[in-house]
Amino acid sequence: LAKTTQPISMDSYEGQEVNITCSHNNIATNDYITWYQQFPSQGPRFIIQGYKTKVTNEVASLFIPADRKSSTLSLPRVSLSDTAVYYCLVGDPYSSASKIIFGSGTRLSIRP
Amino acid sequence: DTGVSQNPRHKITKRGQNVTFRCDPISEHNRLYWYRQTLGQGPEFLTYFQNEAQLEKSRLLSDRFSAERPKGSFSTLEIQRTEQGDSAMYLCASSLPQTLVAEKSNEGQFFGPGTRLTVL
Repeated sequence: LAKTTQPISMDSYEGQEVNITCSHNNIATNDYITWYQQFPSQGPRFIIQGYKTKVTNEVASLFIPADRKSSTLSLPRVSLSDTAVYYCLVGDPYSSASKIIFGSGTRLSIRP
Repeated sequence: DTGVSQNPRHKITKRGQNVTFRCDPISEHNRLYWYRQTLGQGPEFLTYFQNEAQLEKSRLLSDRFSAERPKGSFSTLEIQRTEQGDSAMYLCASSLPQTLVAEKSNEGQFFGPGTRLTVL
């Protein structure tokens, strides 16, 4: 199982760019990197997924170096509503669901 | 389609009672997942269906837990003889068939709001 390590918590301010890094040293060839966001009392929400290099969508960017042993979720110009827990997952979404582990996530707090 | 729905949203029961939760996935999603989440932890995988077939079960899923998806649409999760340690949020998620992912770009799993179970 590809284990992930992320900071337990991070703080930032409105309007700043926030980068959350995830380590996954034993990532396998077929594994993708996926990030989810979760607000209190809600289910997680898919943010972005990538395999290598850089992926960008309307809410975030995901940077993956060539060795794929880590990845960085970048949130541009955060607002108070970005306060949430962010989970980094590594696994093959097209094969075994049980091998994709959420972990404890990073609790991001945005201040005015 | 309004997304994944779960019922009930909250359930309080006494130890030893049986409880059943329901999940209605997004209509075009053939994959359905159940997770359990306790305070301060990420969701833990319980089981996974593709259509009506239960393809994977976690070792966390003791014999008191059973899940069904009889017609490949909604799913139920039953816990028999509940214990206080079963208190948690039970989350359901659904996702596109793999064959549609390339067409629509991967949107990951869509989670429902969860059912919060409290066992007294």
